[in-house]
Amino acid sequence: DAGITQSPRHKVTETGTPVTLRCHQTENHRYMYWYRQDPGHGLRLIHYSYGVKDTDKGEVSDGYSVSRSKTEDFLLTLESATSSQTSVYFCAISTGTTEAFFGQGTRLTVV
Amino acid sequence: GENVEQHPSTLSVQEGDSAVIKCTYSDSASNYFPWYKQELGKGPQLIIDIRSNVGEKKDQRIAVTLNKTAKHFSLHITETQPEDSAVYFCAASPNSGGYQKVTFGTGTKLQVIP
Repeated sequence: DAGITQSPRHKVTETGTPVTLRCHQTENHRYMYWYRQDPGHGLRLIHYSYGVKDTDKGEVSDGYSVSRSKTEDFLLTLESATSSQTSVYFCAISTGTTEAFFGQGTRLTVV
Repeated sequence: GENVEQHPSTLSVQEGDSAVIKCTYSDSASNYFPWYKQELGKGPQLIIDIRSNVGEKKDQRIAVTLNKTAKHFSLHITETQPEDSAVYFCAASPNSGGYQKVTFGTGTKLQVIP
């Protein structure tokens, strides 16, 4: 597996609470991505980063923010979690010209 | 934007038979088509990809075909084995310079029955 670590792997949180998911890479890849995976929707891009402090929105960015202060870390924050954000979240990395490597995923449940 | 449709959503085959998964896309600018395999509890992993200047690509028991005129591409798995059981995703992208423009299909759950 590519050197990608997501934490936590599982989390249950209450509606309205802030949640931060972490993605850490050891590959020094320029691009990092956050996706969510839901039944019937496949993988949808939330936000991505093309360098330190350089980020942009994806297809389903509402309710999410990201930060990348170091090449190796990409954080996804749900400022106020809602039940619609219950999902499996995947981080991915890429050099930009080759395939993307995905992490193991974080299963988030908002109750 | 791009729209990728994938069929079927579930597929059951007997071990040793072939499996075919089909995808269509809408954006004629798409020229990169990766296929990912996702095993239970794991992240997706690239198994094969094809670019628009190629009509077919093979890698052992896996092959992908592309018809740019009809805007569809397919994954073919021959001599299926139980370890092929997984969810498969197709995807399309207008370029290969950054995955932010990759659009994924909704996935096909393949079950190979021993």
